[in-house]
Order: sequence, then structure tokens, then C-alpha cells
Amino acid sequence: QSVLTQPPSVSGAPGQRVTISCTGSSSNIGAGYDVHWYQQLPGTAPKLLIYGHTNRPSGVPDRFSGSKSGTSASLAITGLRAEDEADYYCQSYDSSLSDLVFGGGTKLTVL
Amino acid sequence: EVQLVRSGAEVKKPGESLKISCKGSGYSFTSYWIGWVRQMPGKGLEWMGVIYPGDSDTRYSPSFQGQVTISADKSISTAYLQWSSLKASDTAMYYCARSGASYWFDPWGQGTLVTVSS
Repeated sequence: QSVLTQPPSVSGAPGQRVTISCTGSSSNIGAGYDVHWYQQLPGTAPKLLIYGHTNRPSGVPDRFSGSKSGTSASLAITGLRAEDEADYYCQSYDSSLSDLVFGGGTKLTVL
Repeated sequence: EVQLVRSGAEVKKPGESLKISCKGSGYSFTSYWIGWVRQMPGKGLEWMGVIYPGDSDTRYSPSFQGQVTISADKSISTAYLQWSSLKASDTAMYYCARSGASYWFDPWGQGTLVTVSS
């Protein structure tokens, strides 16, 4: 059980907007540690999607955005496309565990 | 282009030792941390540890401390992950990735599949 909680699955139709939540605590997200998001397409290595809560690496479409509020963070995907179907993971640092931590992952299905 | 190229898939028996590698190119290898992440079959990502090749400063996840050894040879821009005695439960995909100041990982290597079976 990860200290960062993500919904196991979300879904949406092409063109829609979906959000994926990452709920932490006062020892990780709430303590101000950066949250990063990764996309893992089937059978491939993860890819950095968002770093430092809200920043997109070069090449990542602006359909992807990140936000943070209190002890939680969210990834939003607008204009959903079939190729967005993947697993998404949040990541931060936890001071109580002295450990980098990943969320359990969320499977996005494009209907 | 920043790239991390991993060593090939391995099939080992329980009790055997193993060292897998990850070669960086396209950036200053000694200026970024390199991390290792485990993904067991059908499961999520688990951070194992990181090394700073510039001075070999190494940090382990408490979950993996004492279970694996992370090292690097900056002369050939290569990081390593090794086991002294494999178990069946070590069967997983192992990814290396370059890590920045706040421990983001980018890019990731393709992953090395390690299968431990008698």
C-alpha cells in the first residue's frame, strides 16, 4: 500500500477531460516536496510527464497539466485521445519514510 | 539526445549473483544522479536507490538497503545494479533513469528484465 493514493482506474471518451488524483499526507506532498507524474504506455518504460507539480518537459503536449493543493496533487488530461491510454504514476518524497515514493498507479481507459 | 542504454535480459537461478548495467550518453554523466526502479510483473513502480557518479554518493530506499548494491564507473558513463544472491522474488523489470535535483526521473532506460527461476 503506497503512501501516495491514486484511483486504480479512470476512463473517458475521446475529446473529454479526465483528472487523476494523488493523495498524500503532511510528510510528503503536504510538506512541500515536489510531485512528478509519469506515463507508462503498454510494454514501454515510463516517461516523465510533469515535474515540480506543474512543469511540462519539452515535447509533452499542453493537454497535460499538473496541480497541487494541500496534501494532494492532480494530473489533468484534456482533449483525450486513444493514444493516452496508459498507466499514470505520481511520485514524491516522504520524510517519515526517508524514501522516494510512487503512487500505486492509475490505468486510464479511453472509451 | 540524452539516452540510457541498459544491458540485456537475464535468466538466472536462485542463489546466483548478477550485475546489470546502464550506460548514459548525450549529457554530463557526472552531473546528474542515476536512479534504479523496480517493476514486478503486473505491479507498480518502486524506487530502489540513486547514485551520483561524480562522487559515487549513493542512497538506498530502506526497502532495498542491504538487498542490492548500486555503483557507477564514471570513466565509461555506466551505472550498475547488482545482487549477490538472487531470489525468485527478484524477478522483475529494472529501469535506470537520470534523476534531477528534486528526484524527477528523465529519461528512462528501456528496462532490463531479470528472471530468477530454478
